[in-house]
Amino acid sequence: GAGVSQSPSNKVTEKGKDVELRCDPISGHTALYWYRQSLGQGLEFLIYFQGNSAPDKSGLPSDRFSAERTGGSVSTLTIQRTQQEDSAVYLCASSTGQGATEQFFGPGTRLTVL
Amino acid sequence: QKEVEQDPGPLSVPEGAIVSLNCTYSNSAFQYFMWYRQYSRKGPELLMYTYSSGNKEDGRFTAQVDKSSKYISLFIRDSQPSDSATYLCAMIRGSNYKLTFGKGTLLTVNP
Repeated sequence: GAGVSQSPSNKVTEKGKDVELRCDPISGHTALYWYRQSLGQGLEFLIYFQGNSAPDKSGLPSDRFSAERTGGSVSTLTIQRTQQEDSAVYLCASSTGQGATEQFFGPGTRLTVL
Repeated sequence: QKEVEQDPGPLSVPEGAIVSLNCTYSNSAFQYFMWYRQYSRKGPELLMYTYSSGNKEDGRFTAQVDKSSKYISLFIRDSQPSDSATYLCAMIRGSNYKLTFGKGTLLTVNP
């Protein structure tokens, strides 16, 4: 079956521009997570969705970062006024959400801010 | 101090060697322990998943958890060049919680 998909796979943008990153979780998975992977910091949690609500946003680094999820499926991570330190790989993961702890990751979006 | 510590390596071994990868953690609330494998420019792939202290074996891979020492290990027997990747330990308090990762260990298995 299909895994987690993310688009675009690569995104190059200029400092100050807004970007949108998309995640399609595994069908039927109610829990969705965004993580960021950078050379210096490793893999860090950003936000968690259960259905369309986000009970844990504690990892969002600033108010320039926001995310939404619609229809209990697709999620979009938006970064406004991008900065060079936002350059990283943004990873999405999903799990069944029914007492499951295993999270399945997508291939990531590599964001480069010039 | 980071919640999860993992030696980043790099680690280089000959084909057929036994590989030992380790992580330590500080948060007693962690209940579930995972190892992910990540190939270059790919997303992490779940390799092993354990709950509570003890060993779990899957083919050439063995995961060990020692909660009393807050120490987890992954052993790879008869390592193959295809095992060359970054290995990430990850921990979670329970379902519907975030994963907390180590920084990953880059492993190269030389033919």
